[in-house]
Amino acid sequence: DAKTTQPTSMDCAEGRAANLPCNHSTISGNEYVYWYRQIHSQGPQYIIHGLKNNETNEMASLIITEDRKSSTLILPHATLRDTAVYYCIVRVGGYGGSQGNLIFGKGTKLSVKP
Amino acid sequence: DGGITQSPKYLFRKEGQNVTLSCEQNLNHDAMYWYRQDPGQGLRLIYYSQIVNDFQKGDIAEGYSVSREKKESFPLTVTSAQKNPTAFYLCASSKSGNQPQHFGDGTRLSIL
Repeated sequence: DAKTTQPTSMDCAEGRAANLPCNHSTISGNEYVYWYRQIHSQGPQYIIHGLKNNETNEMASLIITEDRKSSTLILPHATLRDTAVYYCIVRVGGYGGSQGNLIFGKGTKLSVKP
Repeated sequence: DGGITQSPKYLFRKEGQNVTLSCEQNLNHDAMYWYRQDPGQGLRLIYYSQIVNDFQKGDIAEGYSVSREKKESFPLTVTSAQKNPTAFYLCASSKSGNQPQHFGDGTRLSIL
């Protein structure tokens, strides 16, 4: 089972910031938080990941609480093309099986509206 | 451009047939992975490979086989032993186990 809890769906107005929350209250000290998104009928797209510190790249920002039990993905200026299912995943490094397996839950369906 | 190419995009299999899905990457990544996604569900790991000539079973390897003869290629064979093969198959690669996995656009397999 996924180790994360996300809202089923969210709406956001075009041009506004989209803030997607994720709870991971059982996260271990060596587990990273990853965010991916998937547009219908395409492969998942990597967005960002972090361990403890907040991270920012050209796509998004990741804010991780001090206790690491939750995080928020921020899309600063959402566009219609950001409409997708967003997955928050926690994992250790490693390849597969009990370690490193990318366990995708149901994710959050983000709808960006004009 | 660098990336992961999966082919074909759509594939149909007759009962009792084996079919092979192609996955090629030009990212110079050491690790490659195969996942299966069923409608409305998350991804499940089938096989992964850390390095050429080595691969390991994932959570749902039964009915599937892989090979890793070249760094850039990781083909998946869906055998007749896989009783429910209809799904969306995704290939991914990463520089190492700690690095993010990057995905191809998938192959949708259906049974005739």
